[in-house]
Amino acid sequence: DTGVSQDPRHKITKRGQNVTFRCDPISEHNRLYWYRQTLGQGPEFLTYFQNEAQLEKSRLLSDRFSAERPKGSFSTLEIQHTEQGDSAMYLCASSRTGGEGETQYFGPGTRLLVL
Amino acid sequence: AQSVTQLDSHVSVSEGTPVLLRCNYSSSYSPSLFWYVQHPNKGLQLLLKYTSAATLVKGINGFEAEFKKSETSFHLTKPSAHMSDAAEYFCVVISISGGSYIPTFGRGTSLIVHP
Repeated sequence: DTGVSQDPRHKITKRGQNVTFRCDPISEHNRLYWYRQTLGQGPEFLTYFQNEAQLEKSRLLSDRFSAERPKGSFSTLEIQHTEQGDSAMYLCASSRTGGEGETQYFGPGTRLLVL
Repeated sequence: AQSVTQLDSHVSVSEGTPVLLRCNYSSSYSPSLFWYVQHPNKGLQLLLKYTSAATLVKGINGFEAEFKKSETSFHLTKPSAHMSDAAEYFCVVISISGGSYIPTFGRGTSLIVHP
């Protein structure tokens, strides 16, 4: 399967703990995006990378959130000191510069539950 | 600035009848527009996209959408609904010509198909 993959698919944690999610994009895609989706809402943009550079971050991304893409391939999203309000589906997507009108391909998501 | 309004949170149709999911957008630049579908417990899948070529866009599974600049609309249609079409549908706008690659998602329309 050459699609976008995310790991883990589910995560349950206690309030105050740190969690880290991983995203592996489609191999030839140089752009990688993170989104958060809560029940009944559309995905909300968090941040995106072009190669290893983090080009934009949403105001939704508090200081407790950090994302990296060290070698321009996979990416990690870390949430420190989790809060119950962080419970959501975290989606990753990738795209290719100038390709297909910036069509983004989504992974299956990581569902986070903070107790 | 860009925004998307999906005019209906739920649409209910009978199998075999036409589907209309409405989307209005706002963009300071020529937009790229997308429709994605999300089935329960599955990732977002691209249905179709408009990127300044033909205004009537055909997608997968018999769906199509028409870009109407004068009405700032990009409504999704299908002549005959199938039970497997029941899902959440998201309209998305990206203002690439404005130098941004950040998409804005609508809140989603839940399509219910009755036998």
